[in-house]
Amino acid sequence: EAGVTQFPSHSVIEKGQTVTLRCDPISGHDNLYWYRRVMGKEIKFLLHFVKESKQDESGMPNNRFLAERTGGTYSTLKVQPAELEDSGVYFCASRQTSGSYNEQFFGPGTRLTVL
Amino acid sequence: GNSVTQMEGPVTLSEEAFLTINCTYTATGYPSLFWYVQYPGEGLQLLLKATKADDKGSNKGFEATYRKETTSFHLEKGSVQVSDSAVYFCALTSLGSYIPTFGRGTSLIVHP
Repeated sequence: EAGVTQFPSHSVIEKGQTVTLRCDPISGHDNLYWYRRVMGKEIKFLLHFVKESKQDESGMPNNRFLAERTGGTYSTLKVQPAELEDSGVYFCASRQTSGSYNEQFFGPGTRLTVL
Repeated sequence: GNSVTQMEGPVTLSEEAFLTINCTYTATGYPSLFWYVQYPGEGLQLLLKATKADDKGSNKGFEATYRKETTSFHLEKGSVQVSDSAVYFCALTSLGSYIPTFGRGTSLIVHP
């Protein structure tokens, strides 16, 4: 079974440009999470989807960030316009709902560099 | 709020050395505690967990004991291998939540 995949693995853009990150969760996982790690700091929660609905977006830093999950499958995270402080590694994770405690499975991350 | 503090890296060891990565936490109630590992080029993987005081999580030769009295969850391994080189993250979740609070990560480099 394929794990969580993320695309691209690395993106380098200029300040003011737009970037879209994509996450494909494990098939059948209703829960999808986005996290971000700024260089050398903690991994911080951004938001949580249950199917196509945003369950919790309390970690989204500002309105330059837009996350979508149309159809409840893959998700995109768009940053527009990108700022220098948006640089970091963006992780996606997915989790199934049924059963007892279910761990999150993480993707390899997308390293975003804003110049 | 919840927070996790882990030792700064990088930690550099020779193969077969003993490893300790310290982790302490602040949380209300009775959190669950985790260690995640990120190998180069891969995603975060759950390494081990403990859900109540005095529980010991273990996996792949790594161990950590949930110490409520010292609010700690130190990661240990008796003999590290080059393949253990990775970044290790300590984390906790509050009761009923699936969203971890992570520490800053500790890079481990093991030399042959």
